[in-house]
Amino acid sequence: GENVEQHPSTLSVQEGDSAVIKCTYSDSASNYFPWYKQELGKRPQLIIDIRSNVGEKKDQRIAVTLNKTAKHFSLHITETQPEDSAVYFCAATAGGFKTIFGAGTRLFVKA
Amino acid sequence: DTAVSQTPKYLVTQMGNDKSIKCEQNLGHDTMYWYKQDSKKFLKIMFSYNNKELIINETVPNRFSPKSPDKAHLNLHINSLELGDSAVYFCASSPKTDLTPQHFGDGTRLSIL
Repeated sequence: GENVEQHPSTLSVQEGDSAVIKCTYSDSASNYFPWYKQELGKRPQLIIDIRSNVGEKKDQRIAVTLNKTAKHFSLHITETQPEDSAVYFCAATAGGFKTIFGAGTRLFVKA
Repeated sequence: DTAVSQTPKYLVTQMGNDKSIKCEQNLGHDTMYWYKQDSKKFLKIMFSYNNKELIINETVPNRFSPKSPDKAHLNLHINSLELGDSAVYFCASSPKTDLTPQHFGDGTRLSIL
């Protein structure tokens, strides 16, 4: 069935460094790839998304890249800050019917 | 003026009981969802409704029955609760099924004693 693999499961970086989270999807019909941030005890919130007709998208310190051929997409956070500490989920939607989430990456930003 | 609101926020109950969780969105979205997030934080879709019609039922036990009286509401009723049902349940909505982000509620933490 459809699957989204996300790596790493835990990531610890020093404040100011960059963080990269990678995801791979299995369904080649996937055409929408959102990223959600979930702080402890809170709800997941969209931070950035990308559609299959775009290879890269940037919003301030956050960027997402998509390689459709390899079925990979990645989240890049530059100049990390302690408030970036959270669980990050990638997701892939195919045909508009179902969104499959990755297992999450717990990001720790050390001050 | 919460966009997606769920009640209750916490639910503690005994095994075997029946309980309901309510969800309402005031965003005018057509599509609503229920997700289960287990202790390992894995988010798994359970149901999806579009304009009150069920479009996804992800092999969820029959003890779980969603109901959508109108497109702004999607409630979840659970019969004969089991220990394994303990989780955080998130309701979400999106403008449509395709190419749009989902807006999540604050979650309902269900604990089965």
